[in-house]
Amino acid sequence: RKEVEQDPGPFNVPEGATVAFNCTYSNSASQSFFWYRQDCRKEPKLLMSVYSSGNEDGRFTAQLNRASQYISLLIRDSKLSDSATYLCVVNKAAGNKLTFGGGTRVLVKP
Amino acid sequence: DAGVIQSPRHEVTEMGQEVTLRCKPISGHDYLFWYRQTMMRGLELLIYFNNNVPIDDSGMPEDRFSAKMPNASFSTLKIQPSEPRDSAVYFCASSRRQGFNNEKLFFGSGTQLSVL
Repeated sequence: RKEVEQDPGPFNVPEGATVAFNCTYSNSASQSFFWYRQDCRKEPKLLMSVYSSGNEDGRFTAQLNRASQYISLLIRDSKLSDSATYLCVVNKAAGNKLTFGGGTRVLVKP
Repeated sequence: DAGVIQSPRHEVTEMGQEVTLRCKPISGHDYLFWYRQTMMRGLELLIYFNNNVPIDDSGMPEDRFSAKMPNASFSTLKIQPSEPRDSAVYFCASSRRQGFNNEKLFFGSGTQLSVL
C-alpha cells in the first residue's frame, strides 16, 4: 500500500460547479498535511496547509479526518484556471521529509 | 527575490553518459531536496540535505546516482552512467523549517532529462 494515495482522475468539472476529492495516508503518526497544485509541465506550488479543524482559503476548503486517515479538498465555483493536478502531501513524523501523493487531475470545462 | 534555480532546463543524452544537474536554493533556506517525477511513480524524494549535510538518501535508486552540496548555495545531482529508465523530470526544492506545520517547499522549474 502506498503511503499517500489519491484518485488520479481526471475529474471533469463544469465551470462554476463544486468538486471535491480525497487523499488517504497510511501512517497514523503523520503530523502535517498540505495540498500542492501542479500545472502541466510546471513545478508544484503550495496551495494550502491543512489544519486539524479544517480551513478555507477563498474558494478552497481543506479538511482533515485523523480517525479515517484522509484529507480532502473542495473547490467551489470552479474556474477554468483551476484546471491542474492537485497533490496531497504528508509529513510523516519528525523531520522535514514530505511524501507526495500521485496527484488528482482536475479539468474545468466551459 | 530569485526562486530556486535549476539548470539545465532540458538535457538529452545517450545511455552511458554522465549527467550533472545543478541547483541553487533560495538564500537562507536550510533544507534542500532532490525529487524525481515520472508518470508511473509520481514525485519521489531522492535525497535531502540540512545545512549542506545529506540527511536521508534512502530514495536514491542506486549507486549510479550521487548528490553533493558543497556549500549553502549550490547542489548537484549526478547520474553516471545514465540509463533510459532515468528519463524523468528532476526537481530541486528548498525550505526553511519553521515548525511542523510550516514546511513550505519552493520548487525549481525542473530539469527534463531524456536518456536515449
